[in-house]
Order: sequence, then structure tokens, then C-alpha cells
Amino acid sequence: KAGVTQTPRYLIKTRGQQVTLSCSPISGHRSVSWYQQTPGQGLQFLFEYFSETQRNKGNFPGRFSGRQFSNSRSEMNVSTLELGDSALYLCASSFPDTNTGELFFGEGSRLTVL
Amino acid sequence: AQSVTQLGSHVSVSEGALVLLRCNYSSSVPPYLFWYVQYPNQGLQLLLKYTSAATLVKGINGFEAEFKKSETSFHLTKPSAHMSDAAEYFCAVSENNAGNMLTFGGGTRLMVKP
Repeated sequence: KAGVTQTPRYLIKTRGQQVTLSCSPISGHRSVSWYQQTPGQGLQFLFEYFSETQRNKGNFPGRFSGRQFSNSRSEMNVSTLELGDSALYLCASSFPDTNTGELFFGEGSRLTVL
Repeated sequence: AQSVTQLGSHVSVSEGALVLLRCNYSSSVPPYLFWYVQYPNQGLQLLLKYTSAATLVKGINGFEAEFKKSETSFHLTKPSAHMSDAAEYFCAVSENNAGNMLTFGGGTRLMVKP
């Protein structure tokens, strides 16, 4: 069974640009969550999508957005990039009807903002 | 609001020695508790989880954790460290019915000396 796939794995952007990251969950998983990981702030929850609907949202500015498609694939977008957005962005998927927090993580997309 | 505190951002042990990684949590409702491990340049992998069944939870790779409600703790242990255990370990909490939104501790980097 294929794991969670995130693309791209690495990318470099400049301030003011926007970026879109993609996540393909494990087959059969309908919940997709996004987390930001930085050395200073650690792992922080961004948002969760379930059946194309945002179910939970973390404390991030509106520049961070996401969506989920009917095949459960998800994208997140960051507009007007700032230096502080440099981070590892992790996507995680889980079984549809279990809210137990047992997540399966991808390897992440490492974003560098110059 | 829930929170997680991991005592010690770095722990160093000798190969074969006991591993003890500390985690304390706060939660307004009975929580789900987790330990995840992250190897370099990889995503997170679930080690074990507590979901209000047995208080002593056994996980993968010989790790276990004990839920102590009176101490609001969920410390991770392994009797004998192996070089391959060197990684970063994260404790996380999820409140029941909160979807898959995890609150992570700051992480503990485990180093294993030969």
C-alpha cells in the first residue's frame, strides 16, 4: 500500500511569491491534515480536511489556505510568502471515521523563502 | 486548551542503556495521547497511542509508555537503547471529538552513544 505522497519535496521561493503544495493520502483515507514544522515553533497544526470540507483550522493567517478534492487529494497554498514561512510542511492522512489522531505522515515539502 | 511539555530537548544515552523520554500534558477532557518518531529527512511515524484502554501501552521497536492521570504524564521508555533509535521523538495530545488535530510537544532528540 503506497504511503502519503507529498510534492514537491523541496522548493525555493522569494518573498511575495505564492506556493502550492500537494498531498496524496493513503488509498481509502478521507481525512487529510497539514502541519508546519520549524525549529523555533515546532510542529503546528494548520488545517484538516474531510470529505472536501475543512473540519478544523489552526491559528495561522489567511495567507494559508487549503482544499481537498473528491479523490481526497489535498493542496495547500501560501500567498505573499514571508521569510518566516520557511518550514517543512507535513501532510498526514487517516481513516475516515476515526477521530483518534492516529495519523500517517508524508515525508514533507521543505519550503525555503529567500 | 490542551498543551504538551517534553522535558529535555536533547537526551543522550549509551547503547544498551534505558531510554526515558518525558511528556506531561494538560487537557480539559480525557485525552488521546501519542508518541511519534521522526528520523532525519522523513515524516513522523506513530510509535504508540493511548486511547483510554490499558494504561501501559506497548508500541513498535520495543518502546512503551505509561499513562498516569494523577501526574498528567505519558513518559516513553525502552529498556535497552539501540543505535537505530537515534531520532527525534514527539509527544502529542488530541482531545476526543477534535478530529485529527494534534497538539505536539517541542520534541526530544535522542542520541545513542556506542
